[in-house]
Amino acid sequence: ETGVTQTPRHLVMGMTNKKSLKCEQHLGHNAMYWYKQSAKKPLELMFVYSLEERVENNSVPSRFSPECPNSSHLFLHLHTLQPEDSALYLCASSQEQAYYEQYFGPGTRLTVT
Amino acid sequence: GESVGLHLPTLSVQEGDNSIINCAYSNSASDYFIWYKQESGKGPQFIIDIRSNMDKRQGQRVTVLLNKTVKHLSLQIAATQPGDSAVYFCAERENFGNEKLTFGTGTRLTIIP
Repeated sequence: ETGVTQTPRHLVMGMTNKKSLKCEQHLGHNAMYWYKQSAKKPLELMFVYSLEERVENNSVPSRFSPECPNSSHLFLHLHTLQPEDSALYLCASSQEQAYYEQYFGPGTRLTVT
Repeated sequence: GESVGLHLPTLSVQEGDNSIINCAYSNSASDYFIWYKQESGKGPQFIIDIRSNMDKRQGQRVTVLLNKTVKHLSLQIAATQPGDSAVYFCAERENFGNEKLTFGTGTRLTIIP
């Protein structure tokens, strides 16, 4: 495996629910990323954290709220989602915000009903 | 805006044959390219990369070709195996100052036993 784990692997939630996605990396990296992967669309970068500070927010709706309590853990808090938010959410990590050397987790398959 | 795209969404190849997956990019300022492999239920995995000052790079059973004149990138997989079945997509990085990657949508490669 890549050293990046994500839980849960699958999540089904209603539009009024609140849930959180968790990512943990065991690689000693100091940058972490959230991506959204929708069917037939390219990977979309959502958030970037470097040294536990958010350095990138790619116009993501406020119903997605990231949290990075330390360099090994990254969360994505979800609330009041829409059906079009159904997608595979991928976490990645790298050293020194080196996008080209990212290691990806297996993703959380999210379905919003 | 600039985009990275793939010529074919699906490709089926007989086991043992060679396969070629293509990628067109439109940003002439891109200086670095990566091919990723994404197996079912897993996150993207780095396969091979190439810098814009090169036109060919070889790895183990894989070769990436870069044609900057027509802004075209290809991934050749030799002697395909069942484990090569996956979605393959390319990514480009703009020249220095913007380290972020722009991803293509992907081609699903199926190896027929």
